[in-house]
Amino acid sequence: DADVTQTPRNRITKTGKRIMLECSQTKGHDRMYWYRQDPGLGLQLIYYSFDVKDINKGEISDGYSVSRQAQAKFSLSLESAIPNQTALYFCATSDSSRSVAGNTGELFFGEGSRLTVL
Amino acid sequence: EDKVVQSPLSLVVHEGDTVTLNCSYEVTNFRSLLWYKQEKKAPTFLFMLTSSGIEKKSGRLSSILDKKELFSILNITATQTGDSAIYLCAVPNSGYALNFGKGTSLLVTP
Repeated sequence: DADVTQTPRNRITKTGKRIMLECSQTKGHDRMYWYRQDPGLGLQLIYYSFDVKDINKGEISDGYSVSRQAQAKFSLSLESAIPNQTALYFCATSDSSRSVAGNTGELFFGEGSRLTVL
Repeated sequence: EDKVVQSPLSLVVHEGDTVTLNCSYEVTNFRSLLWYKQEKKAPTFLFMLTSSGIEKKSGRLSSILDKKELFSILNITATQTGDSAIYLCAVPNSGYALNFGKGTSLLVTP
């Protein structure tokens, strides 16, 4: 089983629908992240959380919200999906105890959730 | 505003060639720079660089950081078709989360 699991892996929805992407991890890491990838744009940070009570906006948080339900679970919601939110979404984790001098250190990624908004 | 800029955005080479991928950055309070390789699925970690001038090496891949000039390079020698991938560079932002560049898409042809 994957250490970082994303569900669903693929989703097609219509404009205006509410969508939730879920991420769970068995790595015991405290930090979790949501990224979005569009062709030619690399990975853009949406939200991140360094523990259950900590939520931070990334570069492109507008139109998204998150919930850190437990240390192992971090979900991303699109309250009213629009076509330009069509993208590949990645969840990632990292372990603050392995960070060097406050660095984030290595991220461990899930396999991605491909979302299409029609 | 923090920035991570990679060049070139895409590159096509023949097997056996050597390639150099570039990453320049502007961040407040630099701590580290990381390289990832992305094939069909999720990115996988290659290197983390924190000190200037110290080369990190793994097989045919190597990377070095220049903190004075604010850039890093990733070298791949004797390229193989299996090196075809997107190579991503990332730097922690002021909140310690990674900001990524747009990536370099490398295609190695037989």
